[in-house]
Amino acid sequence: AQKVTQAQTEISVVEKEDVTLDCVYETRDTTYYLFWYKQPPSGELVFLIRRNSFDEQNEISGRYSWNFQKSTSSFNFTITASQVVDSAVYFCALSVGNFNKFYFGSGTKLNVKP
Amino acid sequence: AAGVIQSPRHLIKEKRETATLKCYPISRHDTVYWYQQGPGQDPQFLISFYEKMQSDKGSIPDRFSAQQFSDYHSELNMSSLELGDSALYFCASSHGTGGLNEQFFGPGTRLTVL
Repeated sequence: AQKVTQAQTEISVVEKEDVTLDCVYETRDTTYYLFWYKQPPSGELVFLIRRNSFDEQNEISGRYSWNFQKSTSSFNFTITASQVVDSAVYFCALSVGNFNKFYFGSGTKLNVKP
Repeated sequence: AAGVIQSPRHLIKEKRETATLKCYPISRHDTVYWYQQGPGQDPQFLISFYEKMQSDKGSIPDRFSAQQFSDYHSELNMSSLELGDSALYFCASSHGTGGLNEQFFGPGTRLTVL
């Protein structure tokens, strides 16, 4: 069975602080994909990153960085120097198998205060 | 290029009424997925279609049905609506199945059942 756990329900930080959102996944498949999506108050799902199970390289994109560790089944997301516009719900998701359906975590609501 | 189109964007219905949500995938995408996101919840997979055939099924109530048409657009039909059906319904599309084929989400249809 597949499962994604985002243990942090809600995080509040002050602007310019760094913040890390945790994601732990479970799967017995050896080939899988991990994703992060941002959902602002307007509701749409904004794609942030996709990682496949064979690529453990960490990635940095501007203020965003991702740390993928298969040994701990984690795919954590760090925002450096957070901004008010980063306030949103962030979902981690897992996709396995041939039909690509997503298993989402419960989401982490990030509040960035000025 | 145009993204996934969902219509309507907002829909208000009374209990026991029916609703039809439409999804127009990205050009040349042959796979469509439907997800339901209740208030404060993560998106839950409902059903998917590949080349007009149902490819996978999740937690879709028997009151709901869906299909994919020859032009690859998909419709989610919901009957005997209940208050608990109030949710944001996402459609996503991809070209082919499998994790290599990136899934693109539409903006969602917000259904309110009164």
